[in-house]
Amino acid sequence: AQSVTQLDSQVPVFEEAPVELRCNYSSSVSVYLFWYVQYPNQGLQLLLKYLSGSTLVKGINGFEAEFNKSQTSFHLRKPSVHISDTAEYFCAVRFSGGYNKLIFGAGTRLAVHP
Amino acid sequence: GAVVSQHPSWVICKSGTSVKIECRSLDFQATTMFWYRQFPKQSLMLMATSNEGSKATYEQGVEKDKFLINHASLTLSTLTVTSAHPEDSSFYICSARVPRGGYTFGSGTRLTVV
Repeated sequence: AQSVTQLDSQVPVFEEAPVELRCNYSSSVSVYLFWYVQYPNQGLQLLLKYLSGSTLVKGINGFEAEFNKSQTSFHLRKPSVHISDTAEYFCAVRFSGGYNKLIFGAGTRLAVHP
Repeated sequence: GAVVSQHPSWVICKSGTSVKIECRSLDFQATTMFWYRQFPKQSLMLMATSNEGSKATYEQGVEKDKFLINHASLTLSTLTVTSAHPEDSSFYICSARVPRGGYTFGSGTRLTVV
């Protein structure tokens, strides 16, 4: 079965500390991988995506993620977070086939404290 | 580029009435659009995939007669919640595929049924 798992529902961290948000997926077919951020009562903003090529992907706002095919993971990292990074983060996977629909993980609430 | 405009951003309606939510692609043609539903503090659940000029494909458990989707043109998809009840209150988000494997999202519609 195809699924997306975000292992942490909440991640508290102090400002300027590094952070990693974890994402794993289950699939027997090829995938495209995405990370989105959502602020309250707003839509989703794309942070970064992996389609092919280099497994280390750099996105906006200093975020990066690494695709690890053997571990079926796509963890999001930032070396130094800011208060403004407080938001909900969603990992999403597009499984090949069908209408190429996007399936989301449960989300991780990143709370940055001063 | 690749902007999706979703309206209204919020709506309050009486139980038993119908509500229409519009999703427009402003600067590209969207042959495929997706409709998601998001409950508070939860992830996005895919409701259906709409394709221009054909019937929508609904996910398992989604009532097609209650959530009517129309994708009559390459720039407009609509979701109509028919005979709305309080349990239909939620945040609805549309999305469209864009070139080079990505997706863009509307800003969402907060539906409250009283």
